[in-house]
Amino acid sequence: AQKITQTQPGMFVQEKEAVTLDCTYDTSDPSYGLFWYKQPSSGEMIFLIYQGSYDQQNATEGRYSLNFQKARKSANLVISASQLGDSAMYFCAMRGRWDYKLSFGAGTTVTVRA
Amino acid sequence: NAGVMQNPRHLVRRRGQEARLRCSPMKGHSHVYWYRQLPEEGLKFMVYLQKENIIDESGMPKERFSAEFPKEGPSILRIQQVVRGDSAAYFCASSPSGPSTDTQYFGPGTRLTVL
Repeated sequence: AQKITQTQPGMFVQEKEAVTLDCTYDTSDPSYGLFWYKQPSSGEMIFLIYQGSYDQQNATEGRYSLNFQKARKSANLVISASQLGDSAMYFCAMRGRWDYKLSFGAGTTVTVRA
Repeated sequence: NAGVMQNPRHLVRRRGQEARLRCSPMKGHSHVYWYRQLPEEGLKFMVYLQKENIIDESGMPKERFSAEFPKEGPSILRIQQVVRGDSAAYFCASSPSGPSTDTQYFGPGTRLTVL
């Protein structure tokens, strides 16, 4: 079974600054995938970024990057140059290599201030 | 290139009625997953289906809930005799294959309110 922990219920960030969202996980699977999703106030779930446990490099997608520290079992999301449209709930999720269901954390609400 | 479609987006039912939630996966995707999000919580897995097969329904409540993904048409999540505790957002996701690291893409969700 997988467990995802997001300890920051809410964060404020100034526009144009970077913000780091924490995510730690626990799993017995030797191979797994880590995902981040964004949920704006409109409610849809938007896929942001994926990191495989055996990927050599940290994943990046535009302004999103994943700070993956396997030994610490952490997969923090970094959003650079925050924009007002980044205000949303962010969920960390994981799935075992041969699993199919995603396990989600409780989420972190990000509010970007002008 | 249409994404995952869900309808209705909002559904209001009175206690004891039935709720039917529909999901059409992305083109080329044959794997469908249903998740439920209670207020202020993350998503919880309910069921995983392929065409005409339920692969894993370990997250589904034992009673009143059922799901199907017929050969033709959308996947349906059916909740019979709804109760207030069923009020939640129900998300459908799809992927081109099941296991491995395929990303699951989510639909916009159906928000069910039980009066």
